[in-house]
Amino acid sequence: QQQVKQSPQSLIVQKGGISIINCAYENTAFDYFPWYQQFPGKGPALLIAIRPDVSEKKEGRFTISFNKSAKQFSLHIMDSQPGDSATYFCAARGKSGGSNYKLTFGKGTLLTVNP
Amino acid sequence: GAGVSQSPRYKVAKRGQDVALRCDPISGHVSLFWYQQALGQGPEFLTYFQNEAQLDKSGLPSDRFFAERPEGSVSTLKIQRTQQEDSAVYLCASSSQFSGNTIYFGEGSWLTVV
Repeated sequence: QQQVKQSPQSLIVQKGGISIINCAYENTAFDYFPWYQQFPGKGPALLIAIRPDVSEKKEGRFTISFNKSAKQFSLHIMDSQPGDSATYFCAARGKSGGSNYKLTFGKGTLLTVNP
Repeated sequence: GAGVSQSPRYKVAKRGQDVALRCDPISGHVSLFWYQQALGQGPEFLTYFQNEAQLDKSGLPSDRFFAERPEGSVSTLKIQRTQQEDSAVYLCASSSQFSGNTIYFGEGSWLTVV
């Protein structure tokens, strides 16, 4: 059972455009939702994260929108740049017991930003 | 270095061979994780250490997989009698009580079983 579903699988955006990646989760025990960026040959790096007590978090060009009732969250990359081309993973982590350290990842979105 | 260091970066193993993958976490980080990332997939949890104690090994795919962290710093993931389905990137990550929720990943050990 896939606990975090991510879409689209791949995305092509023109430079300066907005990139939007969506994730949905099933487990209501999740309470921490990070997004990771991964370049080829590198490990995932934390980009931005949100807790469900807020509906939006913005850091520079990156914004997470969170809809608790729908159990969905999304990453928006404003003014996308070729350097943003990478694979993006959403993830979720529980708040208690044995799940408060284990990240569950989506399958990833390969973003290509054309110059 | 200041980050999580993994070695070897690349390993080609013949089927049936044993392999050992090493992880040097960020100095002082209490928590250490191993994840497996298959080609084109997201990382999947394998095991978790707090200091030298392995608190969760529920993600290890079979009893051929074994992880240890005897002194609470360096960790080794060992795979016995490797199979082709073990081919993946093995990611080590660490975090501390002072890094909040941030988990820092290494660059991974790329294992190919032929």
